Amino acid sequence: QKEVEQDPGPLSVPEGAIVSLNCTYSNSAFQYFMWYRQYSRKGPELLMYTYSSGNKEDGRFTAQVDKSSKYISLFIRDSQPSDSATYLCAMSARNQGGKLIFGQGTELSVKP
Amino acid sequence: DVKVTQSSRYLVKRTGEKVFLECVQDMDHENMFWYRQDPGLGLRLIYFSYDVKMKEKGDIPEGYSVSREKKERFSLILESASTNQTSMYLCASERTSGTYNEQFFGPGTRLTVL
Repeated sequence: QKEVEQDPGPLSVPEGAIVSLNCTYSNSAFQYFMWYRQYSRKGPELLMYTYSSGNKEDGRFTAQVDKSSKYISLFIRDSQPSDSATYLCAMSARNQGGKLIFGQGTELSVKP
Repeated sequence: DVKVTQSSRYLVKRTGEKVFLECVQDMDHENMFWYRQDPGLGLRLIYFSYDVKMKEKGDIPEGYSVSREKKERFSLILESASTNQTSMYLCASERTSGTYNEQFFGPGTRLTVL
């Protein structure tokens, strides 16, 4: 079983839809949770970061962490064609050298 | 503006060739990483380095080696390329802050081994 599981998609939605991207994990030591966005032919860029459980909002994006269920989510409201990209969850634990463990990535396409 | 550059965007090599992939960062970061990215497998860590001349194996180091002679430069070496090393290779440099560590990625090198 992989430490981090992410539905690879692809996911196709119409413009304006609410998008939910999810990851599950097995290592209860993970404390830092990140979402990276990767546009085609580019490297990933950090989109959002959350420490431990809770929600964090940044514009149209909301990151949610539920440590009791070992489940994290990224919500995109009012999705735009410019949101079309691959989204990767990543997580780390300080007592494990801080190495990032990535999910497989979900490819999202937002159609105008 | 932070910048991580990789020596090539696309590379085609033959089986058995020695391949060098170079990565340079201009942010004075101590930590640097090499990943490969394959469909359905996400990013997998090959090697990383926390300082000059220092290297640590990641999750899939077999068939690879690295070199870190200067702080800003981290090279990935395929001693004898094989077809199963056809992949996208991503280099990252890491900023360590009090709260969390953020990795900055280069644009990637798509390597094809024939």
